[in-house]
Amino acid sequence: EAQVTQNPRYLITVTGKKLTVTCSQNMNHEYMSWYRQDPGLGLRQIYYSMNVEVTDKGDVPEGYKVSRKEKRNFPLILESPSPNQTSLYFCASSRQGPEKLFFGSGTQLSVL
Amino acid sequence: DQQVKQNSPSLSVQEGRISILNCDYTNSMFDYFLWYKKYPAEGPTFLISISSIKDKNEDGRFTVFLNKSAKHLSLHIVPSQPGDSAVYFCAASRNTGTASKLTFGTGTRLQVTL
Repeated sequence: EAQVTQNPRYLITVTGKKLTVTCSQNMNHEYMSWYRQDPGLGLRQIYYSMNVEVTDKGDVPEGYKVSRKEKRNFPLILESPSPNQTSLYFCASSRQGPEKLFFGSGTQLSVL
Repeated sequence: DQQVKQNSPSLSVQEGRISILNCDYTNSMFDYFLWYKKYPAEGPTFLISISSIKDKNEDGRFTVFLNKSAKHLSLHIVPSQPGDSAVYFCAASRNTGTASKLTFGTGTRLQVTL
């Protein structure tokens, strides 16, 4: 089954404790991206990757890192999480470019 | 600066009637528009799209209309069904083919009642 898999689905952590949210797609997609969803703000792009080893900042990259060492995986790293990073995070991929994205089921992160 | 706006946070429609969801944008460089549908505890799923060279695109019960001069698009669902109850996001991109991101609206929650 074609899918984008994120883990974990739910995560509660404390300020400053490094964490990684994993994202994997099995569709051989070139493009991958991370979004966060916040009430009243819609979905905002954090980082994206057009291909392996090619990543770039989206609209809200502060406090996040990503890597794209292989085509299928695009982890999101929070080196020192803060409470303002409490949000619902989505990983997405597409064959080429950002238009028809396939989204994962989301990761609900709470930073205390 | 919200470049894509959905001014109605929620909409309630009776089953069988038409649902009309609206979206406005400010960036005249946008040339490709999409609608995504999101159920609770799931990620958004692509619904329908339209290029700026068209003013209408239809797919079954779903039709998207684009008015470039007004910088406005709308999604029509006819007839509405209870399974259509979800949050709908409109999104836009520019320079199709070389675009790097979608810009999303804030979403409209549609409830289809029996």
